[in-house]
Amino acid sequence: NAGVMQNPRHLVRRRGQEARLRCSPMKGHSHVYWYRQLPEEGLKFMVYLQKENIIDESGMPKERFSAEFPKEGPSILRIQQVVRGDSAAYFCASSQQGTLNYGYTFGSGTRLTVV
Amino acid sequence: GQQLNQSPQSMFIQEGEDVSMNCTSSSIFNTWLWYKQDPGEGPVLLIALYKAGELTSNGRLTAQFGITRKDSFLNISASIPSDVGIYFCAAAIQGAQKLVFGQGTRLTINP
Repeated sequence: NAGVMQNPRHLVRRRGQEARLRCSPMKGHSHVYWYRQLPEEGLKFMVYLQKENIIDESGMPKERFSAEFPKEGPSILRIQQVVRGDSAAYFCASSQQGTLNYGYTFGSGTRLTVV
Repeated sequence: GQQLNQSPQSMFIQEGEDVSMNCTSSSIFNTWLWYKQDPGEGPVLLIALYKAGELTSNGRLTAQFGITRKDSFLNISASIPSDVGIYFCAAAIQGAQKLVFGQGTRLTINP
């Protein structure tokens, strides 16, 4: 009965490289949300996806960031040409029906460090 | 945009004391949630509130959804060492799937 699984837990990238963050939702959940947390701050919404569809990407930076949730496999958050300001914790959450009943369950996050 | 103002930013208390923190906004929300985050982990849901005026308890935790729908508070009674962590309020407007988070309250407990 695994929860939301994110990997890697820690990721170090040099400036200009690509970062790929993966999220496997809870079993039976088809809605995925990505949030970013800068040090000493609260979480900020980035994107909401269902299988094969982006529902709301209003929090995603317009350039270098993309997200997908394919029919098979985990959701991927991709950051191209990373910069120091991308260093943050990235959290994924999932829900069964795309509602906020009981909130939704977060994973343990991926901590991205750009050097 | 929508913003939650959470206070206090940090608290230093003695074990056994009660704790109170709150979140306010100039916007109206339909759902208020309280999360706790331990170092290196994701937020864990503590209490969810869905109706204005609603008062809900979860063990030693009690939270209320303000009657104006613009605020919420969380109380922790008789604090224990494992209560240490960062507490976040979060809220959503009707029909929205995304949460707005407060800046967090960092709780430190002296034994």
